[in-house]
Amino acid sequence: NAGVTQTPKFRVLKTGQSMTLLCAQDMNHEYMYWYRQDPGMGLRLIHYSVGEGTTAKGEVPDGYNVSRLKKQNFLLGLESAAPSQTSVYFCASSNPRTNYNEQFFGPGTRLTVL
Amino acid sequence: GQSLEQPSEVTAVEGAIVQINCTYQTSGFYGLSWYQQHDGGAPTFLSYNALDGLEETGRFSSFLSRSDSYGYLLLQELQMKDSASYFCAVSTRYSTLTFGKGTMLLVSP
Repeated sequence: NAGVTQTPKFRVLKTGQSMTLLCAQDMNHEYMYWYRQDPGMGLRLIHYSVGEGTTAKGEVPDGYNVSRLKKQNFLLGLESAAPSQTSVYFCASSNPRTNYNEQFFGPGTRLTVL
Repeated sequence: GQSLEQPSEVTAVEGAIVQINCTYQTSGFYGLSWYQQHDGGAPTFLSYNALDGLEETGRFSSFLSRSDSYGYLLLQELQMKDSASYFCAVSTRYSTLTFGKGTMLLVSP
């Protein structure tokens, strides 16, 4: 099993450009999440999904959109990138049927916006 | 809203025991989780406490006091590979996590 994978691993954008980050999981998890991590900071929740076709806002949703058309995929879109969106983006998934609340994280996408 | 406080850095020597404290203010609290992150890589799950008390998993233990809004992660028999950042995180509805800023643990020989 690959677990949680993220595409791409690195990306450099110019201000105003758009892009989509792809997250895929092969564990049949219901819940998926997108976080961002800035230097010296913990992870902050951007958006999350509790099932196919559903999405919800997290702590820092502005400037991002998401879609969950298939259970195994969760896409994060930046419509008009800004330098403030330079960050490392982590995707995660979890199985709500367990009682220990573990989230499985992907390796991250390192995004720089110039 | 949620807020968590944990020390920014802790140092220890191999073989020692170290405790990383975490205090939180939150609404809709379901539990307290701990994650480890090496060199900016993928965070990995260590433990979860939903109820008061101590949970033990090998060399790692985690404690929660809901009445004090306080928890800690205890690492025993420290090894060099334990040098990493450790994050406490509050779990709320739908297992969403709010993370602290992390504690960098430096283990020296």
